Amino acid sequence: EPEVTQTPSHQVTQMGQEVILRCVPISNHLYFYWYRQILGQKVEFLVSFYNNEISEKSEIFDDQFSVERPDGSNFTLKIRSTKLEDSAMYFCASSELYTGELFFGEGSRLTVL
Amino acid sequence: DQQVKQNSPSLSVQEGRISILNCDYTNSMFDYFLWYKKYPAEGPTFLISISSIKDKNEDGRFTVFLNKSAKHLSLHIVPSQPGDSAVYFCAARDGTSYGKLTFGQGTILTVHP
Repeated sequence: EPEVTQTPSHQVTQMGQEVILRCVPISNHLYFYWYRQILGQKVEFLVSFYNNEISEKSEIFDDQFSVERPDGSNFTLKIRSTKLEDSAMYFCASSELYTGELFFGEGSRLTVL
Repeated sequence: DQQVKQNSPSLSVQEGRISILNCDYTNSMFDYFLWYKKYPAEGPTFLISISSIKDKNEDGRFTVFLNKSAKHLSLHIVPSQPGDSAVYFCAARDGTSYGKLTFGQGTILTVHP
């Protein structure tokens, strides 16, 4: 069964460092997303991406964040200068249609020290 | 952000019985609702969805009911199985939004053998 894969599964970084989280969406999906879940809190939307551009972003997704689809398969989330409060589980998701169900990866746990 | 609320943090049921998980929402622009199941250290897994033009959708042991006037939906699992033990998230999508889902806090379901 097709699935969304994410790397790394866990990354520990120092505050102020840049981090790149990688995702391989399901191959025939056209819409890509990043969500995050801070420990003990809700899963929250960060950004959606379609046709090589951001479709929508939340207020969390400030200038420190960026997304990119560098080739035909990968979808990345970059955090330029990490803060302690960026520590969370980051989930990549994809969907065939924007009206359809989102399929999530297993997540990348980011720990900022 | 309290647009989607799951007021029961946990639910415990006996194997073979019905599990009923509830979800309330406040945003009238939501037109599509989904339930996700999440095991520890995994991403949310899509379970079942319902469009706002329907009041019921069934898939095997899982049925979702939508009461638009009450802004309430529920997930019924019959019969419940120990493997159903997980965190269940209700999520909703605004029809004007590109795949942005708003999640509830989740309900931990435990099914006892």
